[in-house]
Amino acid sequence: RKEVEQDPGPFNVPEGATVAFNCTYSNSASQSFFWYRQDCRKEPKLLMSVYSSGNEDGRFTAQLNRASQYISLLIRDSKLSDSATYLCVVNIGTGNQFYFGTGTSLTVIP
Amino acid sequence: NAGVTQTPKFRILKIGQSMTLQCAQDMNHNYMYWYRQDPGMGLKLIYYSVGAGITDKGEVPNGYNVSRSTTEDFPLRLELAAPSQTSVYFCASSYSERLGAFFGQGTRLTVV
Repeated sequence: RKEVEQDPGPFNVPEGATVAFNCTYSNSASQSFFWYRQDCRKEPKLLMSVYSSGNEDGRFTAQLNRASQYISLLIRDSKLSDSATYLCVVNIGTGNQFYFGTGTSLTVIP
Repeated sequence: NAGVTQTPKFRILKIGQSMTLQCAQDMNHNYMYWYRQDPGMGLKLIYYSVGAGITDKGEVPNGYNVSRSTTEDFPLRLELAAPSQTSVYFCASSYSERLGAFFGQGTRLTVV
């Protein structure tokens, strides 16, 4: 069973739309959670951490549901520059290992 | 700030050849990682290190070796390259599980 599972998409949305991505994780001992962004042929870059109480960074809102073991990312007022692959990441704790989902592809259309 | 630096950026190897992918970080992070990413796939952990002198296998270690003689450097060695090792390799480092990991720009390796 995969540690982290995401819907691969693709999600094609018009500019200004709101889009939500979900991911699930299998290890209940997971301690830290993140969303990364990866542009085509580039390295993954940390977008935001995900806290139990939920957190917001501008147009981006992340939520964590420990009981159901899922993480979500909401992007409001989508911009063309938001087009990328969004990776859900979980840290198990042991050895400080980060496990990555396969990513969800987003294309924002003019 | 250099962050995490990987060399080379691109490399073509013939089957059976060996090479070392270099990774260096200047953030004084104890934790370092090597991942590979195949097209349309997520990142798979090859090896990781929790500090100088300590390394451990990840999900896909076969065909690779690592060493960690200093905090800064974490080279990945490919012995007897095979076509299945064609991939993009990313090195990353982390200060703490709460702060995430930071990646180098990647090495695109093709084995022919």
